[in-house]
Amino acid sequence: QMQLVQSGAEVKKTGSSVKVSCKASGYTFTYRYLHWVRQAPGQALEWMGWITPFNGNTNYAQKFQDRVTITRDRSMSTAYMELSSLRSEDTAMYYCASSPTEQWLYYWGQGTLVTVSS
Amino acid sequence: QSVLTQPPSASGTPGQRVTISCSGSSSNIGSNTVNWYQQLPGTAPKLLIYSNNQRPSGVPDRFSGSKSGTSASLAISGLQSEDEADYYCAAWDDSLNGHVVFGGGTKLTVL
Repeated sequence: QMQLVQSGAEVKKTGSSVKVSCKASGYTFTYRYLHWVRQAPGQALEWMGWITPFNGNTNYAQKFQDRVTITRDRSMSTAYMELSSLRSEDTAMYYCASSPTEQWLYYWGQGTLVTVSS
Repeated sequence: QSVLTQPPSASGTPGQRVTISCSGSSSNIGSNTVNWYQQLPGTAPKLLIYSNNQRPSGVPDRFSGSKSGTSASLAISGLQSEDEADYYCAAWDDSLNGHVVFGGGTKLTVL
């Protein structure tokens, strides 16, 4: 069955970077969009961007354009989301989600908690 | 401040029918389909409705979606205690380079 397994929780210092991984199984990795969404404590979902694993094309939300990089390793069926220049407001649960389209998020990973403190 | 507008809370008793609204604009709901996600406490979101009114495999037909103009709604009939969750609407927005926008979420309480 389709599965997305994300890397474990991270604690980071203000100004540093974090890289979260998302390993896909149970489907052909290159055939689906891979989105990243975050959720700050008690807050709504916030879309960050997607990658098309087939060719590596990306589309980022304007808010994160300067700080986020989404990549993939086709041989490992794994996508990565790196967020730089971390600040306390980046403390959140980060989710990856796969989908056959760019418009909705069909299947979600379990989430990775990133905590940023000084 | 979320791009799509939802009521922060909704409630109903078991067996009742409840609806949750979602309001957007011409660049998102007005020109693209609406999707709904259910987030049970402490878990990852789950796709509940896509393309306005389609249910993924395994989602009960008690859940239904509709869209009209720049607004959409999610209806839950035969409300059950396990439906208590946060519900988010979302849509593709054509502005900028195109991106997904979410509503602020509605916390549904089953009384």
